[in-house]
Amino acid sequence: AQSVTQLDSHVSVSEGTPVLLRCNYSSSYSPSLFWYVQHPNKGLQLLLKYTSAATLVKGINGFEAEFKKSETSFHLTKPSAHMSDAAEYFCVVSKNNNDMRFGAGTRLTVKP
Amino acid sequence: DTEVTQTPKHLVMGMTNKKSLKCEQHMGHRAMYWYKQKAKKPPELMFVYSYEKLSINESVPSRFSPECPNSSLLNLHLHALQPEDSALYLCASSQVRTSSYNEQFFGPGTRLTVL
Repeated sequence: AQSVTQLDSHVSVSEGTPVLLRCNYSSSYSPSLFWYVQHPNKGLQLLLKYTSAATLVKGINGFEAEFKKSETSFHLTKPSAHMSDAAEYFCVVSKNNNDMRFGAGTRLTVKP
Repeated sequence: DTEVTQTPKHLVMGMTNKKSLKCEQHMGHRAMYWYKQKAKKPPELMFVYSYEKLSINESVPSRFSPECPNSSLLNLHLHALQPEDSALYLCASSQVRTSSYNEQFFGPGTRLTVL
């Protein structure tokens, strides 16, 4: 069985400070992991994905995530938050197309 | 074209109405999905089509009826809905690989309100 836990339901940062959104996964095999972002009343946009090719994954808009097998984590980071980063972020673990498990989501607030 | 489009953007319907949601993609993807998303919750998978055939139905009530007329189009027919069916309905598409995975591309969603 596979599952994903997002450790924070809400994260608040000031503009220009680092962002850390935490995700732990549970999987009995080597997982595929994704981060999606959803702005209010919008669909989901893929930020980045882990495919086992590299443990440090770079995504769009300056985000990156590091796969740590020993910690079963896939935390999302960004060095400097921008106001436009305010959104809901979902960590997703997948075995195949038909078996994507979403985390509960983390709402990121960016203060001016 | 890396876009999934959905129409309409907003839909208000009564419990006795019949309406349809439409989804279209031109990325050559042969897997298409319907999700339901309630406020402040992650998306919940409803249906999966693979090569235009229904492969997964996550125990969705029969008042929701999906249809995949061709490889680019996906419809969701709605009939006799309940107020608790009000939600954002998201369509997604992806390539089909059973031994690996592919990311899903999501449309902007249809905001459905059932009165």
